[in-house]
Amino acid sequence: GAVVSQHPSRVICKSGTSVKIECRSLDFQATTMFWYRQFPKQSLMLMATSNEGSKATYEQGVEKDKFLINHASLTLSTLTVTSAHPEDSSFYICSALGTAGYEQYFGPGTRLTVT
Amino acid sequence: QKEVEQDPGPLSVPEGAIVSLNCTYSNSAFQYFMWYRQYSRKGPELLMYTYSSGNKEDGRFTAQVDKSSKYISLFIRDSQPSDSATYLCAICSNDYKLSFGAGTTVTVRA
Repeated sequence: GAVVSQHPSRVICKSGTSVKIECRSLDFQATTMFWYRQFPKQSLMLMATSNEGSKATYEQGVEKDKFLINHASLTLSTLTVTSAHPEDSSFYICSALGTAGYEQYFGPGTRLTVT
Repeated sequence: QKEVEQDPGPLSVPEGAIVSLNCTYSNSAFQYFMWYRQYSRKGPELLMYTYSSGNKEDGRFTAQVDKSSKYISLFIRDSQPSDSATYLCAICSNDYKLSFGAGTTVTVRA
């Protein structure tokens, strides 16, 4: 139980294009999901909190117009990186809040490379 | 000062040894404590979570929390090469956000 999937697992795009990443909770409903990014040999950095049916809450320094988050259902949240640039290249990981109320289950991550 | 401090290692042990990992934290408001394992280029996998002081055991893994000292530990008994990974402590406060340690890279030598 408590499986979270992400799609795609890897994506390469050209500078200036937009990329959408999907995060799904497969066997449980998640009213809250989180988006992180991770640079090599570093820990996870929280970007935003996604709540089903409401606007996402972004961490300080994260541009909400660049990283669009939509949490349209209890099992799906999407992150769209708009007008991507090489500095946006990173490992993006989502998580879903579990039924106990505080544990987070992570997806396998999406490696984004912007050329 | 970071909210959660964790020695990044690396830590190298022979197969069968006990792996000892620990973190300290500064915010007394933290209530829930988790350990994640992350293999290279994969998402973190939840190993254990607890919310009270004391020990919690699951197979070869034991999580220990001392709220009075703001200190948490993870012990891995009879370590295997497949345990080689980065281990992250994570602590949750009332707003459900996780504060992560830097992660400790562990290598278990066959």
